[in-house]
Amino acid sequence: QLQLQESGPGLVKPSETLSLTCTVSGGSISSSSHYWGWIRQPPGKGLEWIGSIFYSGSTYYNPSLKSRVTISVDTSKNQFSLRLSSVTAADTAVYYCARASSGFHWATPDAFFDNWGQGTLAAVSS
Amino acid sequence: ETVLTQSPGILSVSPGERATLSCRASQSFSSSYLAWYQQKPGQAPRLLIYGASSRATGIPDRFSGSGSGTEFTLTISRLEPEDFAVYYCQQYVRLPYSFGQGTKLEIK
Repeated sequence: QLQLQESGPGLVKPSETLSLTCTVSGGSISSSSHYWGWIRQPPGKGLEWIGSIFYSGSTYYNPSLKSRVTISVDTSKNQFSLRLSSVTAADTAVYYCARASSGFHWATPDAFFDNWGQGTLAAVSS
Repeated sequence: ETVLTQSPGILSVSPGERATLSCRASQSFSSSYLAWYQQKPGQAPRLLIYGASSRATGIPDRFSGSGSGTEFTLTISRLEPEDFAVYYCQQYVRLPYSFGQGTKLEIK
């Protein structure tokens, strides 16, 4: 059974960099059929796609965050990570990692999210 | 950017009745690229429907999706107590992939 687990600091200071890691178990991040994504949800608000990555390192980012976001993958640890720089209070949110599937037998970034981590709250405050 | 607008914002329905949730897109796209999720308080979203009408693994058949172009619908035929939650639609046809603002389904 595939499981995803986010980890990282729960509190980040303004202007610093938020760093989170997603550990995948019960399946391989090197799957040729899936991308892996980050989605966030500010308290009491809706969902925002941050970006997605393939095991080869190919990435796609939300243009609204692109200048501050880096998503990377470590296949040896079955993990992928998110770095968000120059954070402000507006970046306070629950951050989810998820597996992205296309509904076909091949991977494409045009995908829905069929397995999610439980989410981790990252608060930006001094 | 493709904006998804969900209506109504809050829907009050009695258990056992039918609920119909709407998702309208600012640009037309193939129905193959529309998903629906359910989210309960304190939990991650759960995939219900992908490709506008295909049920995800383990999803009961009382959940159904339909639509094309700019108008999409999620129907729950006979509401069970566990169905009261927030529902989101998502388009994944073009970047940036986007979600609707959500519809809260509450017990009447």
